[in-house]
Amino acid sequence: EVQLVESGGGLVQPGRSLRLSCAASGFSFDASAMHWVRQAPGKGLEWVSGISFNSGSTGYADSVKGRFTISRDNAKNSLFLQMSSLRAEDTALYYCAKDLGHTGHGGFDHWGQGTLVTVSS
Amino acid sequence: EIVLTQSPGTLSLSPGERATLSCRASQSVSGNYLAWFQQKPGQAPRLLIYGASSRATDIPDRFSGSGSGTDFTLTVGRLEPEDFAVYYCHQYGSSPGTFGQGTKVEIK
Repeated sequence: EVQLVESGGGLVQPGRSLRLSCAASGFSFDASAMHWVRQAPGKGLEWVSGISFNSGSTGYADSVKGRFTISRDNAKNSLFLQMSSLRAEDTALYYCAKDLGHTGHGGFDHWGQGTLVTVSS
Repeated sequence: EIVLTQSPGTLSLSPGERATLSCRASQSVSGNYLAWFQQKPGQAPRLLIYGASSRATDIPDRFSGSGSGTDFTLTVGRLEPEDFAVYYCHQYGSSPGTFGQGTKVEIK
């Protein structure tokens, strides 16, 4: 059974940093592209960032480019999102999502339950 | 970036009726890399359709996707009680990937 478990969310002040993690199991993690998608309270879905199976390619939404960094550790079946210079508008539930393909063109077939990030003073 | 516009915003239907949801892209979706998700309150999104028309694993055949280029449709053949939810389209052919704003299918 595919499982994705996010952690690392919490309350953080504007301008500070936070690192999210996603522990994966039940599939060949090193064969799948992975993504972070967020959802602000009561709002729709926003793709944040994606990474190919071997970390050779990464992508970011314009709203986070230069502030967020995605990475993965295939030996530990883990995905990360380093978030810096956080803003109030980054407040959201952050989901980790598995891609059907290697490079990010497969569709997101499994999602975690999300970790909540609240940016507030 | 590609903007996806979903219509209608809300669809009020009765169980057993057919639902037709539209997703229009501001430019052609590369490779027809268009997916549909269902989301219920307090739950993560669930993949229904990918590649515009391929059903994801364990998705009932009352769900079908069609379209190409800039116009895509999700059809639910006969609504079951568990189908009342919010539906999002998502293009992943061009970076950044983008989502539509969602269509809520509610019980009439």
